Amino acid sequence: EAQVTQNPRYLITVTGKKLTVTCSQNMNHEYMSWYRQDPGLGLRQIYYSMNVEVTDKGDVPEGYKVSRKEKRNFPLILESPSPNQTSLYFCASSPRNSPLHFGNGTRLTVT
Amino acid sequence: GENVEQHPSTLSVQEGDSAVIKCTYSDSASNYFPWYKQELGKRPQLIIDIRSNVGEKKDQRIAVTLNKTAKHFSLHITETQPEDSAVYFCAAANYGQNFVFGPGTRLSVLP
Repeated sequence: EAQVTQNPRYLITVTGKKLTVTCSQNMNHEYMSWYRQDPGLGLRQIYYSMNVEVTDKGDVPEGYKVSRKEKRNFPLILESPSPNQTSLYFCASSPRNSPLHFGNGTRLTVT
Repeated sequence: GENVEQHPSTLSVQEGDSAVIKCTYSDSASNYFPWYKQELGKRPQLIIDIRSNVGEKKDQRIAVTLNKTAKHFSLHITETQPEDSAVYFCAAANYGQNFVFGPGTRLSVLP
């Protein structure tokens, strides 16, 4: 089944403890992207990648890192999480100029 | 870079009435315009999309129109039903470029 898989679905952590949210797609898509969603603020882009080894900042990249070493994987790394990074995170992928496929989301709480 | 505006931010209609959501974009090179529906706590899902070589596209009760000269596109939902209540996002993209989303419209269909 074609899908974008994010893990974990729910994560509660403490300030400063490094974490990684994984994202994997099995559709050989070139484009991948991370968004965070907070009440009333829509989908804000964190980072995106046009292809392997190519990543660019979105609107809200501060406090996040990404890597794209393989086409299928695009992990989101929070080196030192803070409470203001508590949010709902979505990963998405697409072939160029075609619909985005979203993962099911990761709800992160940083205390 | 591309900038997408979306109006209104909230919209309430009576069941059976029509709903219209409008988006404008800034980059004349954008040529792909998808619309996503997001229910509470779930991932955004594509409901309809249009490419720049088409002026209008319809799928049952949903239609999208595109005016490339004015750089705006609209979502039309006819005969609204309670299950149409959700947040709707428009987006603009260009081949090889990033997706840019509008801020979203919260649609409430009142019984």
